[in-house]
Amino acid sequence: KAGVTQTPRYLIKTRGQQVTLSCSPISGHRSVSWYQQTPGQGLQFLFEYFSETQRNKGNFPGRFSGRQFSNSRSEMNVSTLELGDSALYLCASSLGQDPTDTQYFGPGTRLTVL
Amino acid sequence: AQSVTQLGSHVSVSEGALVLLRCNYSSSVPPYLFWYVQYPNQGLQLLLKYTSAATLVKGINGFEAEFKKSETSFHLTKPSAHMSDAAEYFCAVRGGGYQKVTFGTGTKLQVIP
Repeated sequence: KAGVTQTPRYLIKTRGQQVTLSCSPISGHRSVSWYQQTPGQGLQFLFEYFSETQRNKGNFPGRFSGRQFSNSRSEMNVSTLELGDSALYLCASSLGQDPTDTQYFGPGTRLTVL
Repeated sequence: AQSVTQLGSHVSVSEGALVLLRCNYSSSVPPYLFWYVQYPNQGLQLLLKYTSAATLVKGINGFEAEFKKSETSFHLTKPSAHMSDAAEYFCAVRGGGYQKVTFGTGTKLQVIP
């Protein structure tokens, strides 16, 4: 069974631009969560989707948004990029029907904002 | 509100020695607790999880953790460290229901030959 895939793996943008990151969950998984990982702040929860509905949202500004499609694939968008948005963005998928379901993480997208 | 505290951002052990990584949690409801490992340039992998069944949880690669409600702790242990255990380890908590998962700041484990 294929794992969680994230595209692109690396991205370089400049301040003010916007970016879209994509996540394809494991087949059969209906929940997708997004995290931002930085050396200073560690792993910060962005949002969680289940069956196209946002189930949880972290404490990030409105520039950060996401969505989930009917095939469970998910995208997150960051508008008006700032230098501080440089981070590793991790996506995790799970069956989503139980809060203890194991989350399977993708390799991440490394975003650099110049 | 929920939170996780991992004591020690860096831990060094000799190969063959006991590994002990500390995690204390705070949760207003009975928590679910998780330990993940991250190797360089990779995503996170679940080592083990506590789901309110047995308090002693065994995971992959010889790791185990014990849930102690009185101490609000969920420390990760392994009897004998291997060079391949060198990685960063994260403790995480999820409150009842579908609250968001909160991660600790991580502990980097160095294994000295």
